[in-house]
Amino acid sequence: QSALTQPRSVSGSPGQSVAISCTGTSSDVGGYNYVSWYQQHPGKAPKLMIYDVSKRPSGVPDRFSGSKSGNTASLTISGLQAEDEADYYCCSYAGTYTFRVFGGGTKLTVL
Amino acid sequence: EVQLVESGGGLVQPGGSLRLSCVVSGFTVSNNYMNWVRQAPGKGLEWVSVIYSGGSTYYADSVKGRFTISRDNSKNTLYLQMSSLRPEDTAVYYCARNGFDYWGQGTLVTVSS
Repeated sequence: QSALTQPRSVSGSPGQSVAISCTGTSSDVGGYNYVSWYQQHPGKAPKLMIYDVSKRPSGVPDRFSGSKSGNTASLTISGLQAEDEADYYCCSYAGTYTFRVFGGGTKLTVL
Repeated sequence: EVQLVESGGGLVQPGGSLRLSCVVSGFTVSNNYMNWVRQAPGKGLEWVSVIYSGGSTYYADSVKGRFTISRDNSKNTLYLQMSSLRPEDTAVYYCARNGFDYWGQGTLVTVSS
């Protein structure tokens, strides 16, 4: 069982927006502004999409945005495109010893 | 260009040992904190271990006492020594920098008799 809770799947049509939630506790998501999101296509390594809750690395489209409220973080993808179909994982810093915890992953299907 | 290239994976019997390597180019391993993250077949991501620039190391409870993370600064290479391997350690092992901003392509470790 993963430390952070994500929906198993979400879907949307091209051009629409979808949001993926990531629920933790005050010991991880709620306690630090170090939530990140990763995109993973089948057979590939994960790719960083959002870090520090809402920052985008260079090269990531501004269609991807992140936010946090209390113990729940969210990734929103607007203007869905076919290439956005992938698994998405959230991750949070959880202290010196636990270091980082992941969500179980959400499969995004672009209809 | 930043590159992380893992190697050393393979098939090993339960109770056996294996050493994974991650050769890095494009940045200095010792100036960053480096991680190992694994992914069991069809499952999610799991953080395994971190080594900080100062040399401190930390491990997930699931591998504590069995795995050892280290680095060779002269070779700009990260290692993961795995011993007392169990079937549940079967996974693709990735090395990743800092807060997982750069990842390698992964190396598959299969623990089976």
